[in-house]
Amino acid sequence: GENVEQHPSTLSVQEGDSAVIKCTYSDSASNYFPWYKQELGKRPQLIIDIRSNVGEKKDQRIAVTLNKTAKHFSLHITETQPEDSAVYFCAASQSNDMRFGAGTRLTVKP
Amino acid sequence: NAGVTQTPKFQVLKTGQSMTLQCAQDMNHEYMSWYRQDPGMGLRLIHYSVGAGITDQGEVPNGYNVSRSTTEDFPLRLLSAAPSQTSVYFCASSLGVSSGNTIYFGEGSWLTVV
Repeated sequence: GENVEQHPSTLSVQEGDSAVIKCTYSDSASNYFPWYKQELGKRPQLIIDIRSNVGEKKDQRIAVTLNKTAKHFSLHITETQPEDSAVYFCAASQSNDMRFGAGTRLTVKP
Repeated sequence: NAGVTQTPKFQVLKTGQSMTLQCAQDMNHEYMSWYRQDPGMGLRLIHYSVGAGITDQGEVPNGYNVSRSTTEDFPLRLLSAAPSQTSVYFCASSLGVSSGNTIYFGEGSWLTVV
């Protein structure tokens, strides 16, 4: 099955700085790559996703890039705010078996 | 729409006991799944279903059973609880993961096995 690795496991930035989280996947057939945000004690919620026919997607301060050749994709958060503090998960799938990375705990210091 | 509803929210079991985590969705989603979340290990897929009468194993299926008799419901059964099954369990649903549709999660069920 698909294997997704996510780095770093923890990330601390100053408010206003950018944050980048990277994921690699093993199955070259994977074609859907969502990112989820999970606040403490809450459910994971989708923040952005990208499909294999697109190289980059932006939504306000959040962007995702995909390099299919290298089998990696990244989440970019610009102008970080304290409310961005959470655990972020990447995922990959090419079928109904979606696999998640281990998560990145992002802390934004005011 | 209530979305994805899980019960119970919290449960303590003794080793060897059995129980069922309930999951229901009212979005007419064909795809439903169960994940467990453990510290440092992200979300791991236990079982999933692409429609009534169809189930399949995920990454960590051992010790768990599922069935899908209706589109709305997807219960997860722990046959003989073990301390290693202490975890947070999330039910999820989607129009279809293979077609790149969003997965929606329930609020989670915190299970402790002593």
